[in-house]
Amino acid sequence: NAGVTQTPKFRVLKTGQSMTLLCAQDMNHEYMYWYRQDPGMGLRLIHYSVGEGTTAKGEVPDGYNVSRLKKQNFLLGLESAAPSQTSVYFCASSYMGKVNTEAFFGQGTRLTVV
Amino acid sequence: AQKVTQAQTEISVVEKEDVTLDCVYETRDTTYYLFWYKQPPSGELVFLIRRNSFDEQNEISGRYSWNFQKSTSSFNFTITASQVVDSAVYFCALGGYNTDKLIFGTGTRLQVFP
Repeated sequence: NAGVTQTPKFRVLKTGQSMTLLCAQDMNHEYMYWYRQDPGMGLRLIHYSVGEGTTAKGEVPDGYNVSRLKKQNFLLGLESAAPSQTSVYFCASSYMGKVNTEAFFGQGTRLTVV
Repeated sequence: AQKVTQAQTEISVVEKEDVTLDCVYETRDTTYYLFWYKQPPSGELVFLIRRNSFDEQNEISGRYSWNFQKSTSSFNFTITASQVVDSAVYFCALGGYNTDKLIFGTGTRLQVFP
């Protein structure tokens, strides 16, 4: 059982380049999230999805786009990377029904924009 | 709006001391869920506990205990007889039943010295 898998684990981008981070979960979870973690800022929610085909903005959505074409995958895109997007990105998934269960996290993607 | 405040940025203790990590939350939901996660130096996020808003009973798990008080909107975490392996960043998080978002605090870095 792989849980939540993020690809890639590390990446260096030049300013203005684009890239897509892939998150895959094999737990049939409805909810998926993308967070960024910066020193002193904790985990901030970028975008989230409550099911296949749906997405919504979180706390810091600017500069990012997401897609949830398949239930098991949640993609985070950077169209034109900026140094301010240097961060560690975490994907998470959870089953949210009548009882809210814990979120399972991927191992993180360390992105550096130079 | 949902908000989680972890006012303690960093705490240092000597092994075997007890330590309490504070978490204060804000939400308009009447049904909500509170979580604590641990992030050790390796970087992954480890689920510790989930508590729903209707259950104010305190919980103890080994050296860990949690004190949930709706009257003060707090969900504090105490480690008894701390150990070096407890050194990590600890995050408190809030999930609202009607808001779908899972919001994290900024984290408290705990350092336990031998």
